[in-house]
Amino acid sequence: EDQVTQSPEALRLQEGESSSLNCSYTVSGLRGLFWYRQDPGKGPEFLFTLYSAGEEKEKERLKATLTKKESFLHITAPKPEDSATYLCAVQDFTGGGNKLTFGTGTQLKVEL
Amino acid sequence: NAGVTQTPKFRILKIGQSMTLQCTQDMNHNYMYWYRQDPGMGLKLIYYSVGAGITDKGEVPNGYNVSRSTTEDFPLRLELAAPSQTSVYFCASSYGGSGKNEQFFGPGTRLTVL
Repeated sequence: EDQVTQSPEALRLQEGESSSLNCSYTVSGLRGLFWYRQDPGKGPEFLFTLYSAGEEKEKERLKATLTKKESFLHITAPKPEDSATYLCAVQDFTGGGNKLTFGTGTQLKVEL
Repeated sequence: NAGVTQTPKFRILKIGQSMTLQCTQDMNHNYMYWYRQDPGMGLKLIYYSVGAGITDKGEVPNGYNVSRSTTEDFPLRLELAAPSQTSVYFCASSYGGSGKNEQFFGPGTRLTVL
């Protein structure tokens, strides 16, 4: 059974204070690791897919990296508009339907 | 492109009532999914479909039913609503082909069962 653990549960940063969110995973065979952003009262918004260890992807102030056991979402010089819950999910090669297993998320608050 | 749309946005049900949550996507995606999200619990898969006429159970299917008669629509049916079904429900879709596995989510339906 696939498992995803995200840490910390909550993170408070000052504007401009860089940090990283962690996603540890256990999966029989990783097909893909996904990062989503979720704002209060809205559906998750897709950010990145990573497929193999060593892969990195960037979007504005966000950079996602992947190892064989975990993924990091690095936030450089965050702004208040980066405040959201960040969700990590994994997909394996077993079964059908390209199903995702989600972590419980990291709630990020960026203050002025 | 509206993406994934869900109706209603909010609903209050009494115990034992039934309702259907509607989901439509206009991206011509083959795969569609229903999740529920409870505080501190993460998203849990209820049912999914890999194409019209094909559905399968996810992690938490009890108390729910689905059908997929068209590529665009994937309604979720709640029969005999219970307080344990109070949650936020999200529909999602994905292309389903290799290399395009990301799922795109709708805005959600917040359901309260009293």
